[in-house]
Amino acid sequence: GQNIDQPTEMTATEGAIVQINCTYQTSGFNGLFWYQQHAGEAPTFLSYNVLDGLEEKGRFSSFLSRSKGYSYLLLKELQMKDSASYLCAVRDHDYKLSFGAGTTVTVRA
Amino acid sequence: ETGVTQTPRHLVMGMTNKKSLKCEQHLGHNAMYWYKQSAKKPLELMFVYNFKEQTENNSVPSRFSPECPNSSHLFLHLHTLQPEDSALYLCASSQDRGGQETQYFGPGTRLLVL
Repeated sequence: GQNIDQPTEMTATEGAIVQINCTYQTSGFNGLFWYQQHAGEAPTFLSYNVLDGLEEKGRFSSFLSRSKGYSYLLLKELQMKDSASYLCAVRDHDYKLSFGAGTTVTVRA
Repeated sequence: ETGVTQTPRHLVMGMTNKKSLKCEQHLGHNAMYWYKQSAKKPLELMFVYNFKEQTENNSVPSRFSPECPNSSHLFLHLHTLQPEDSALYLCASSQDRGGQETQYFGPGTRLLVL
């Protein structure tokens, strides 16, 4: 099975940087995903890591360390529209996705 | 527009009712999924279909019955549900269930069981 932990809530100021950590303990690993979910909407794909290191996509970056069972999502130059829940998900060798409970990020002016 | 649509968006039903949730994907994908999202809890995988064949049933109670008539459509038939089944039910699709394919989610059906 999978055990995925991420903080429940984070608050940051517009224009700032926020880092959302995700730790996992899995019976198998075949990639880690980050999704963004605005209230009442569908989760949307943000990033995918399968090898160690940093993946950068504009204002969002995601990092993975497989040996430590650790990932983070970095949000830079925060905007009000970034207020949402951010979901960490780990895929196992059977290609099943297991999700963390999500981190609700609130961006304040 | 995510390419995955779900109807209805909201549903209120009694414990003795029978209803169905519908999902349609317009992305040409071959795998489709049902997830349950309860407040403050992780998304829970319920069912997986790959090329119309069910490949995963994650110990879901029989009061939930999936149907996949083709690769573009997925249904979840509901009967004699319990109040604890109230949740957001999300459908997702991916090109296949393997490889690096990302899952794309629909907007969900918010279900309230009275």
